[in-house]
Amino acid sequence: EAQVTQNPRYLITVTGKKLTVTCSQNMNHEYMSWYRQDPGLGLRQIYYSMNVEVTDKGDVPEGYKVSRKEKRNFPLILESPSPNQTSLYFCASSSRKIQGIPEAFFGQGTRLTVV
Amino acid sequence: GDSVTQMEGPVTLSEEAFLTINCTYTATGYPSLFWYVQYPGEGLQLLLKATKADDKGSNKGFEATYRKETTSFHLEKGSVQVSDSAVYFCALSEYAGNNRKLIWGLGTSLAVNP
Repeated sequence: EAQVTQNPRYLITVTGKKLTVTCSQNMNHEYMSWYRQDPGLGLRQIYYSMNVEVTDKGDVPEGYKVSRKEKRNFPLILESPSPNQTSLYFCASSSRKIQGIPEAFFGQGTRLTVV
Repeated sequence: GDSVTQMEGPVTLSEEAFLTINCTYTATGYPSLFWYVQYPGEGLQLLLKATKADDKGSNKGFEATYRKETTSFHLEKGSVQVSDSAVYFCALSEYAGNNRKLIWGLGTSLAVNP
């Protein structure tokens, strides 16, 4: 079954304690990205990756890091989380087609609370 | 930059009622348009899409037509069911350099009562 798997689904942590949210896809997709979803602001892109070892900033990258060492994995790293990073996070992947518009597949989301 | 505006919710309907969720967009190019659905406790799923003007996307009884003249992509369903209760997001696909990004509306919550 084609899927994007995020872990954990829920996380409560304290300010400043480094954490990693994992994302893995089994569709051999080149393109992966992270979004955060906040009330009244919708979904905003944090980082994206065009392929292995190729990553770049989205619209709201401050306070986040990513890595893409393998095609299937795209972890999101918060080196020093702060309360304003409390949000619902989604990982997405899609193929990098030249023609047509590929569908984006989303993980189930990670609800992060930073206290 | 590109943007998507969709009607605010929540929308509450009785089963078998007609549904319309309005979505309009602004874009400099010719984006592809999408409707995603988020069921309670789940991630986002693609509901339907349209890639060019006058295209009609359809799935699970939902339809939306890409109207370039009115820059709209309204979601419709003739007879909603309780199982359609979810949050619906309109989005467009924007290319900025190498980045293929989805620009999202804020979502419309739909509750269908039996």
